[in-house]
Amino acid sequence: GAVVSQHPSRVICKSGTSVKIECRSLDFQATTMFWYRQFPKQSLMLMATSNEGSKATYEQGVEKDKFLINHASLTLSTLTVTSAHPEDSSFYICSANVGGYGYTFGSGTRLTVV
Amino acid sequence: GENVEQHPSTLSVQEGDSAVIKCTYSDSASNYFPWYKQELGKRPQLIIDIRSNVGEKKDQRIAVTLNKTAKHFSLHITETQPEDSAVYFCAATPSNTGTASKLTFGTGTRLQVTL
Repeated sequence: GAVVSQHPSRVICKSGTSVKIECRSLDFQATTMFWYRQFPKQSLMLMATSNEGSKATYEQGVEKDKFLINHASLTLSTLTVTSAHPEDSSFYICSANVGGYGYTFGSGTRLTVV
Repeated sequence: GENVEQHPSTLSVQEGDSAVIKCTYSDSASNYFPWYKQELGKRPQLIIDIRSNVGEKKDQRIAVTLNKTAKHFSLHITETQPEDSAVYFCAATPSNTGTASKLTFGTGTRLQVTL
């Protein structure tokens, strides 16, 4: 089936630094990738939708200059958290629609900013 | 945009009993309603889904019902087992926009199955 590989699975970074998270579609082409953030004991909240070859669409309240999204190819979408702060610590997960009604999720990235 | 509400937030049942989780949605254009099970630190796993042209779907111990008129759908788990303990999320999407259709998730239900 359709697989999205997400890396890294865990990352700890210092406050003020940037972190890049990658999601690769392994056996299909993902023209669109959805990026979610999940705080402890909360739901998955959509942050942005990345589109291959064009600008990402950000949800209301999400800073596009802080969460940089690049979708340069049909198999790779990246999310960069710039100037990370402790409040950015969260579980970040990507998802792609594989056609029809199917969605596949990456394995998630646990970001801890210290 | 779509808004999905989910109840209850926590649910504790004894092993063997049934569990019911309910969701309501706001966008009448939504036509695909998946349910996910998420274990701590893991990705959501699809357990069952339903499309708007169907009122009920069953897969072994799991069933989902949909009432389009009332804009609500429910997850039913029968003969619960300890391994059913997890967080369950409902979701909705108007999938008529193809691969750009985004999922909106409910707030989640923490199910605890006790022995």
